[in-house]
Amino acid sequence: GAGVSQSPSNKVTEKGKDVELRCDPISGHTALYWYRQSLGQGLEFLIYFQGNSAPDKSGLPSDRFSAERTGGSVSTLTIQRTQQEDSAVYLCASSLASAGGGTDTQYFGPGTRLTVL
Amino acid sequence: AQKVTQAQTEISVVEKEDVTLDCVYETRDTTYYLFWYKQPPSGELVFLIRRNSFDEQNEISGRYSWNFQKSTSSFNFTITASQVVDSAVYFCALSEARVNSGYALNFGKGTSLLVTP
Repeated sequence: GAGVSQSPSNKVTEKGKDVELRCDPISGHTALYWYRQSLGQGLEFLIYFQGNSAPDKSGLPSDRFSAERTGGSVSTLTIQRTQQEDSAVYLCASSLASAGGGTDTQYFGPGTRLTVL
Repeated sequence: AQKVTQAQTEISVVEKEDVTLDCVYETRDTTYYLFWYKQPPSGELVFLIRRNSFDEQNEISGRYSWNFQKSTSSFNFTITASQVVDSAVYFCALSEARVNSGYALNFGKGTSLLVTP
């Protein structure tokens, strides 16, 4: 079956512009995670969705970041007024498990490489 | 505090050598999960193994083997008879159940393995 897909694969934008990153999880996966990978910070967790709900948004780097998930499927990570420090690879992962049911493996998408000029 | 430590930043071996990648973790939970992921030059994170805290049995999969020791909080990964295709960055990760973050992965900084002919 299809894996996790992300679009766009690459995004170059100018400082101050807004960007939208999309994640299509594996069908039937209820849990969805966003991570960011940068040279300085390594792989860091951003936000978790169980179904359409994100219990906590404090992992997002700043209030310029927002995320939503609709229909228990597609998720969008939006960065407003992008800054150069937002340049990184944004990774999405999904898994079958629901909270409290024990974890399942997270499968990752290919990522979106964001470059802010 | 760093929950997962991969002390080896870079390792270089010659093909057919055995190599062990170290991973030390820190948690107060009694139930937790440990993972290894591979990130080849293409960039996508590839799942290798998941272990739960109640299963200390070592595992072997082809040329790959994993040694989980709760007494030393370690989950080391050995590649036997390494091949050039094993060249990648390898990440160890810890997952603990949290209401706000599900089973978000705490990654180590990664070990870059280079296998030369």
